[in-house]
Amino acid sequence: DAGVIQSPRHEVTEMGQEVTLRCKPISGHDYLFWYRQTMMRGLELLIYFNNNVPIDDSGMPEDRFSAKMPNASFSTLKIQPSEPRDSAVYFCASPKVAANTGELFFGEGSRLTVL
Amino acid sequence: SQQGEEDPQALSIQEGENATMNCSYKTSINNLQWYRQNSGRGLVHLILIRSNEREKHSGRLRVTLDTSKKSSSLLITASRAADTASYFCATDYNQGGKLIFGQGTELSVKP
Repeated sequence: DAGVIQSPRHEVTEMGQEVTLRCKPISGHDYLFWYRQTMMRGLELLIYFNNNVPIDDSGMPEDRFSAKMPNASFSTLKIQPSEPRDSAVYFCASPKVAANTGELFFGEGSRLTVL
Repeated sequence: SQQGEEDPQALSIQEGENATMNCSYKTSINNLQWYRQNSGRGLVHLILIRSNEREKHSGRLRVTLDTSKKSSSLLITASRAADTASYFCATDYNQGGKLIFGQGTELSVKP
């Protein structure tokens, strides 16, 4: 199994541009989590899905952020328009079952720099 | 605010010494997990301890959980330079589906 696959690994963009981050979860895993990591705020849960349905998006910073999971094998996190304060490493993770009973498998992350 | 608070924020030890990291949390939990993150990489799951367990071992790792104090500790025995990484605790916030991470402890093991 290739694990959780994220792309791009690195993205540098200018303020105001649209950014799309992609995630391919582990096949057969029913949940998908998006986290953001910064030095100042640590690891923040942005949103998570169960069976392709968003369950909790209370961590999404503002309306500029949106996430979709059109099918069990693909998810996107979009920022439009991007701002310098969005610079962070964005992680996608999928567990075997609900996170409160098992481990999370993380992707390698997408490092976003907004100039 | 973060569910988990970790202590210390940074720890530097010599190879062969033991490293102890602590985690405190705020809400009721079903389990508590520990993860490791090497620089520039994703997080890797180390160990999970359930709320009805008090201690768990995995190789050189020993985790304790005190639900009355809402705290946990991770002990790495006979540390190696390869153990240099950041270590995070994570809990299922209010026994729900969300896994919330602490701020982490940055461990440096000098050869």
